[in-house]
Amino acid sequence: DAKTTQPNSMESNEEEPVHLPCNHSTISGTDYIHWYRQLPSQGPEYVIHGLTSNVNNRMASLAIAEDRKSSTLILHRATLRDAAVYYCILRDSTSGTYKYIFGTGTRLKVLA
Amino acid sequence: GAVVSQHPSWVICKSGTSVKIECRSLDFQATTMFWYRQFPKQSLMLMATSNEGSKATYEQGVEKDKFLINHASLTLSTLTVTSAHPEDSSFYICSARRIRGSNEKLFFGSGTQLSVL
Repeated sequence: DAKTTQPNSMESNEEEPVHLPCNHSTISGTDYIHWYRQLPSQGPEYVIHGLTSNVNNRMASLAIAEDRKSSTLILHRATLRDAAVYYCILRDSTSGTYKYIFGTGTRLKVLA
Repeated sequence: GAVVSQHPSWVICKSGTSVKIECRSLDFQATTMFWYRQFPKQSLMLMATSNEGSKATYEQGVEKDKFLINHASLTLSTLTVTSAHPEDSSFYICSARRIRGSNEKLFFGSGTQLSVL
């Protein structure tokens, strides 16, 4: 089962910031928090990942709660090309092997 | 960034035939690759974990004899859908895991749309 929960959908106006939340209350101490996004008919694309500290890259920022039970992906200025399904995922090691289970993700709609 | 090449991008086949999908990590070695399938408007569903030089680990409900996985080298994993039927029509996506020290990332192929007639 997915270890993360996200809202099914969100909307944003173009050029405005977007905050995409993710809850991962069962996260273990060594789990990185990964964010990917998927455009229609394409494979997921890496966005950002982090462990404890907030992270920034050219695509986005990742804010991680102090208790690590939630995180927020921040797109500073949404563009129409950012419309996608955003997935927050953790590495699952409960079965003894590492694997990545996707949850439902958040479908982001960007309004012009 | 790292690149994972998946081929073919789409395939149409007759019911009863087998289809092979290739997944290659082009600029890093991947001891572990993952195979997912995705139905329209749904999330990715993990099918199996492909381990280089050993048998794949299948998720519950995924038939190992139906979906044959081979990971013979550190840069190539293949998924063969045997005796395909219309219900196997789906979008199949592979992913390669890249590890650098304690840090790991997944890189995904562009997916294969399989249509079984």
